[in-house]
Amino acid sequence: DIQMTQSPLSLSASVEDRVTIACRASQSIGSYLNWYQQKPGKAPELLIYAASSLQSGVPSRFSGSGSGTYFTLTISSLQPEDFATYYCQQSYSTPLTFGGGTKVEIK
Amino acid sequence: QVQLVQSGVEVQRPGASVKVSCKASGYTFASYTITWVRQAPGQGPEWMGWISPDNGNTDLAQNLQGRVTMTTDTSASTAYMELRSLRSDDTAVYYCARSMLDGGTSRFDYWGQGTLVTVSS
Repeated sequence: DIQMTQSPLSLSASVEDRVTIACRASQSIGSYLNWYQQKPGKAPELLIYAASSLQSGVPSRFSGSGSGTYFTLTISSLQPEDFATYYCQQSYSTPLTFGGGTKVEIK
Repeated sequence: QVQLVQSGVEVQRPGASVKVSCKASGYTFASYTITWVRQAPGQGPEWMGWISPDNGNTDLAQNLQGRVTMTTDTSASTAYMELRSLRSDDTAVYYCARSMLDGGTSRFDYWGQGTLVTVSS
């Protein structure tokens, strides 16, 4: 199975800060990497697919980059509604696997 | 608009079975794979497997094979996930999600609201 490791586990940031979350795969997965946002008590929501493609309806302050084994999710200007937990997920091979999550909290 | 609506909260004893439903609307049900994901309290999501409604083909997580069955009723646009021989560590929120398959990759673009399954004696 492909292991996905996110860092940091959590971070504190202020509104309008630029935030970057990292995700590493245990083997090369090309660009088969998705990012999700999850708020407490809610289902995850797709933000980015294929490493860098913005899902329809997602604000342009979210962006993704990377390939192979290292990926990043960047929020260019953090907004109050962005405080949540973020997960990466590889779609290269089954079993599909998720990272452990990064919780973004208010400073 | 695309919607996935799941069945309600379940409380089951260890050793029992649970069957969760996921009714889809707003799109052609047979055209998209349905994925099941579960999330234990305080943990990240775990992929359980997926099913293609058009032919019933499944790909299941190896650690659940033998205990999980995924089926669909295309006439009712509904997917089902049954988990047997429940254990306390099966306590989780269970989600269905529509899987968009595109150019060799996949993504979960619409999700159900989740079904809490609690396994307790």
